[in-house]
Amino acid sequence: SQTIHQWPATLVQPVGSPLSLECTVEGTSNPNLYWYRQAAGRGLQLLFYSVGIGQISSEVPQNLSASRPQDRQFILSSKKLLLSDSGFYLCAWSHLAGDPYNEQFFGPGTRLTVL
Amino acid sequence: ELKVEQNPLFLSMQEGKNYTIYCNYSTTSDRLYWYRQDPGKSLESLFVLLSNGAVKQEGRLMASLDTKARLSTLHITAAVHDLSATYFCAVRYSGGGADGLTFGKGTHLIIQP
Repeated sequence: SQTIHQWPATLVQPVGSPLSLECTVEGTSNPNLYWYRQAAGRGLQLLFYSVGIGQISSEVPQNLSASRPQDRQFILSSKKLLLSDSGFYLCAWSHLAGDPYNEQFFGPGTRLTVL
Repeated sequence: ELKVEQNPLFLSMQEGKNYTIYCNYSTTSDRLYWYRQDPGKSLESLFVLLSNGAVKQEGRLMASLDTKARLSTLHITAAVHDLSATYFCAVRYSGGGADGLTFGKGTHLIIQP
């Protein structure tokens, strides 16, 4: 069966510090991968998605970037955090092809507080 | 731009009652999803609806889809306290290159004994 991991689970960082959040998926290959953010007052928002190694699409301009160095690894980064980057970051995966439902499965999330 | 609107955003109800959550979306889509989120937790997939008239049921929850009206409903039958959570509908945009989901703001459901 497939599982998705995220770490760290919680993080408190000062404004201006760098960020690296990691997401890995087990039990599947060639997944679509997604980063979402859930922030107070802004709901759940898609940040990035990836259909393969090195292929990243950004949905909204922001202070963040994403990378996919391996098939089942997705990383969210920032060089300098802003207060507005606080939120609950969720990684998700779906089957790349052959699944008519294209269901997305979410990881446990990382709660980021920027002070 | 795809917009997804849920209502109500907050619902407090008593155990044993029935209620419906509504989800409207603004443009054509080929997938509609319902998720549940418990406080401080991630999202749990409940239903995926593909076609007009689709109806799915799991326990006391039933979801339906009317693609012509761009409306989905999540019906709760004889609510129990364990169903207290925030429920999100989400739509996959089928008209462009993006493959992610657009979520509604969620319905915060409290079921009181």
